[in-house]
Amino acid sequence: DAMVIQNPRYQVTQFGKPVTLSCSQTLNHNVMYWYQQKSSQAPKLLFHYYDKDFNNEADTPDNFQSRRPNTSFCFLDIRSPGLGDAAMYLCATSSYLGSYQETQYFGPGTRLLVL
Amino acid sequence: QKEVEQNSGPLSVPEGAIASLNCTYSDRGSQSFFWYRQYSGKSPELIMSIYSNGDKEDGRFTAQLNKASQYVSLLIRDSQPSDSATYLCAESGGGADGLTFGKGTHLIIQP
Repeated sequence: DAMVIQNPRYQVTQFGKPVTLSCSQTLNHNVMYWYQQKSSQAPKLLFHYYDKDFNNEADTPDNFQSRRPNTSFCFLDIRSPGLGDAAMYLCATSSYLGSYQETQYFGPGTRLLVL
Repeated sequence: QKEVEQNSGPLSVPEGAIASLNCTYSDRGSQSFFWYRQYSGKSPELIMSIYSNGDKEDGRFTAQLNKASQYVSLLIRDSQPSDSATYLCAESGGGADGLTFGKGTHLIIQP
């Protein structure tokens, strides 16, 4: 089945130790997104890739970076995680064809714990 | 800053009844609207998308959009205990932009 896969599902890191979260998709979608969702809060968009074009949200901290080496994969790098970065990180994909925003499909998420 | 507002609940509905969830949004330029269901500890799952004024039905679910009032709703008929979850309303201004989500309404279906 076509799907969005995130690895790992759970990640424990130490304060200040860099961490990379991975997302892959078999949907052949041209747009990939990263959201951060803290407990009892709405998912918050961090950035997205439209094909190879990177689009950063204005309020995304510099501590968060992303890479998209090819259509199928996208990575979220947190350079120096703080306690406040503990959250569920959601990857989503969609197919933008030049008109309306198409449905975004979410992966299962990676829950990050910072000690 | 775009905003999507939802009553956080909890909204408690008896099994078999109609659950009505509401959402308002601030950006008149918003074009696409989505309802996602999220179980605790899981990722959002799409329930409905709606782009035009009026009603859109899919099984037990009906989404309603009123752009003049900047209002979106979701009706769930014949509510089941498995419908108990947080329902997230989201909007997009178009293009490949990401979604702006509301904080969600926690729905409880009482057996």
